[in-house]
Amino acid sequence: GAGVSQSPSNKVTEKGKDVELRCDPISGHTALYWYRQSLGQGLEFLIYFQGNSAPDKSGLPSDRFSAERTGGSVSTLTIQRTQQEDSAVYLCASSSAGGHEQFFGPGTRLTVL
Amino acid sequence: GQQVMQIPQYQHVQEGEDFTTYCNSSTTLSNIQWYKQRPGGHPVFLIQLVKSGEVKKQKRLTFQFGEAKKNSSLHITATQTTDVGTYFCVRPGGYQKVTFGTGTKLQVIP
Repeated sequence: GAGVSQSPSNKVTEKGKDVELRCDPISGHTALYWYRQSLGQGLEFLIYFQGNSAPDKSGLPSDRFSAERTGGSVSTLTIQRTQQEDSAVYLCASSSAGGHEQFFGPGTRLTVL
Repeated sequence: GQQVMQIPQYQHVQEGEDFTTYCNSSTTLSNIQWYKQRPGGHPVFLIQLVKSGEVKKQKRLTFQFGEAKKNSSLHITATQTTDVGTYFCVRPGGYQKVTFGTGTKLQVIP
């Protein structure tokens, strides 16, 4: 595809369950970013990948959050033991290199009941 | 912490009026980006400014980067209903942490 895709588009889960969110960046983009956006709020940076490595994990809110990227392409964000405060839209973006224009996916809306 | 603040937080204007949002960083920026997020949508890149004092125009939008590279502004002339959304300035990533500004939500009254 031409753009960044994310799946699922919506996820409803129960408190305490684990969830996995997926991001497919634009082909050839080496940089990949994850953000979280709560309703009506700004974007909270979570993690940045350059290739398969994550030089900046400073934004992950707790050790329940982890992310990986394989083959320099697809990335997954995993939230363990979800809490209600994890409810938000999780956005993924990619760019041709770190610091360049970011292209965002449509996001995954996560609702934790 | 290293913050990027925007003012105002909200702005309501009559269609045809001008609009400006201001962005201030606590640290010197190597460059700055601007994004627009429509209601229910995702952020879309507008522009990147690199040089001290740089001014760039896109139709009715004028972007400025401060001389000290710690502030920036976006000015929209003669707003239209299509301008509705939230405008974010962004300290890009790369060798520094990506930081989105707090955003300015623009509402245009027809």
